[in-house]
Amino acid sequence: ETGVTQTPRHLVMGMTNKKSLKCEQHLGHNAMYWYKQSAKKPLELMFVYSLEERVENNSVPSRFSPECPNSSHLFLHLHTLQPEDSALYLCASSQDSGAGANVLTFGAGSRLTVL
Amino acid sequence: GQNIDQPTEMTATEGAIVQINCTYQTSGFNGLFWYQQHAGEAPTFLSYNVLDGLEEKGRFSSFLSRSKGYSYLLLKELQMKDSASYLCAAMDSNYQLIWGAGTKLIIKP
Repeated sequence: ETGVTQTPRHLVMGMTNKKSLKCEQHLGHNAMYWYKQSAKKPLELMFVYSLEERVENNSVPSRFSPECPNSSHLFLHLHTLQPEDSALYLCASSQDSGAGANVLTFGAGSRLTVL
Repeated sequence: GQNIDQPTEMTATEGAIVQINCTYQTSGFNGLFWYQQHAGEAPTFLSYNVLDGLEEKGRFSSFLSRSKGYSYLLLKELQMKDSASYLCAAMDSNYQLIWGAGTKLIIKP
């Protein structure tokens, strides 16, 4: 158990479906992140939340919509996805965002396949 | 632009030593991280270097040379469980992490 829990671990969806990924941390961290991991590519930062406010959005398509209702929970709502969105979506948390050696604690990821 | 380079794959023998290199080009620098990721699992933090030199943690050591934009992760007394991907990430002047694509390490008996 890494302290960051992601559900579901695996998701298959059609291009017209709507689904959500959930992330939960009980580490008392103030910052939460969504990353996309594709095979043989660097991790891509999608969204950063600090104290429940979005502080970073790296030009992610609007078909991905994040939600952070409180400091322990983070969602990624998915709608009208494309096959190229198939990837491992990793959630992470850290004590703070920004300055300092912020060590990330990752969840095990949600493996998304878009048909 | 900002960039991290690390080898795609390496193979080593159980009990041996392996060095995984990472070179970086970033706008400013606020430290370098190494993470380990076993297949199907979460990446886990291994080390953080911000000053030049070698930091040792048991069988794992991490080295940094800021002037050369270079780091390496040294794994000693390799065990089968060390088979994993090793991710290098540099933090730029805005405290953004720039990630490498990871090095897949295969350990053979």
